[in-house]
Amino acid sequence: DAGVIQSPRHEVTEMGQEVTLRCKPISGHNSLFWYRQTMMRGLELLIYFNNNVPIDDSGMPEDRFSAKMPNASFSTLKIQPSEPRDSAVYFCASSLEVWQGISGNTIYFGEGSWLTVV
Amino acid sequence: SQQGEEDPQALSIQEGENATMNCSYKTSINNLQWYRQNSGRGLVHLILIRSNEREKHSGRLRVTLDTSKKSSSLLITASRAADTASYFCATDATTGGGNKLTFGTGTQLKVEL
Repeated sequence: DAGVIQSPRHEVTEMGQEVTLRCKPISGHNSLFWYRQTMMRGLELLIYFNNNVPIDDSGMPEDRFSAKMPNASFSTLKIQPSEPRDSAVYFCASSLEVWQGISGNTIYFGEGSWLTVV
Repeated sequence: SQQGEEDPQALSIQEGENATMNCSYKTSINNLQWYRQNSGRGLVHLILIRSNEREKHSGRLRVTLDTSKKSSSLLITASRAADTASYFCATDATTGGGNKLTFGTGTQLKVEL
């Protein structure tokens, strides 16, 4: 099994540029999560999708961040315009569908996209 | 805000010793999971314990859950240098937006030869 695949693994960009992070979840998984990890704030859930539909985006920091899932095998997280404080590791993760009240599914993480905004 | 808080933040032990990490959380949960993260890598699931369970074992791992105290512990027995990593607890709670897995702040474990 290929696991969750993220790209790019590393990106350095200048402030003000648009950044697009990509994710391919594990085949058959229909929940997808975007997390951000920093030393100061730890691991934060930004947004998650069930069956390609955004369920909870309350963790998206501001309007500069947007996420899409056009189909079951692809998702993007976009930052426009990027700022130095967006520097972090962004993880995509997937799991089998989570139903309210019936939980306990393991989440599988990708290796992360290391973003540096200078 | 973080649902789980791990304690200690950092732990350094000798190979062969046991390592114990604790996690406290704030609200009612469906289950609690522990994950490991090696430096520069993604998180890997270790073990899940449901809210109606008190203890669970998997190999050298032992997890306990005390819902009355809203706390959990992860014990790694006979530690090895390869266990060096950060360990996170994650609480699975039902929110207005459905089930949500929220991660704690992590414990950095270093196992020295």
